[in-house]
Amino acid sequence: DQQVKQNSPSLSVQEGRISILNCDYTNSMFDYFLWYKKYPAEGPTFLISISSIKDKNEDGRFTVFLNKSAKHLSLHIVPSQPGDSAVYFCAASPFNGKLTFGQGTILTVHP
Amino acid sequence: KAGVTQTPRYLIKTRGQQVTLSCSPISGHRSVSWYQQTPGQGLQFLFEYFSETQRNKGNFPGRFSGRQFSNSRSEMNVSTLELGDSALYLCASSLQGATRETQYFGPGTRLLVL
Repeated sequence: DQQVKQNSPSLSVQEGRISILNCDYTNSMFDYFLWYKKYPAEGPTFLISISSIKDKNEDGRFTVFLNKSAKHLSLHIVPSQPGDSAVYFCAASPFNGKLTFGQGTILTVHP
Repeated sequence: KAGVTQTPRYLIKTRGQQVTLSCSPISGHRSVSWYQQTPGQGLQFLFEYFSETQRNKGNFPGRFSGRQFSNSRSEMNVSTLELGDSALYLCASSLQGATRETQYFGPGTRLLVL
């Protein structure tokens, strides 16, 4: 039972354009959402988070949008850079609960 | 501050053997969580330890076990290895393990079961 789903295994984008990574969840108890980035041979690193009381959170080139009614969140990267090429995991948790991760999306940004 | 370290980084075992993986959290962090990463499944939560006690557990068989020592270092053990146990095993540490705390991941141990 995959409660957090990233339906696109991969995404390819040109440098300077926008990258949009999507994530859907099924558990209505989830109220905290995060994105992690993972380079090969390294562990995931925290990127950005959003609480369910918000619908948008921005941090530099990274913006996370949350649509609670659709149980959908997305990560926008503008502008995309070759160094952004990595695997991106979304994750969600209920209050005081454990994190549930998605399957990951491989982002490739071409120069 | 040193990051999360995991040893060994790579491991090859055969079916039926057992394996022990080690994780040293960031100094001062008392919560250690373990995850299994496989293609198509993403990161799946194994268990979390805090102050030497297992606080949360994922949906894995009893062959997967762990423990935490008084210095917060943690070990994960998998007994009677199966081919499907081949994966990247990640540990993550945080100060208290609270939901809103950032988890810091180690580089992982890649286990191959032949």
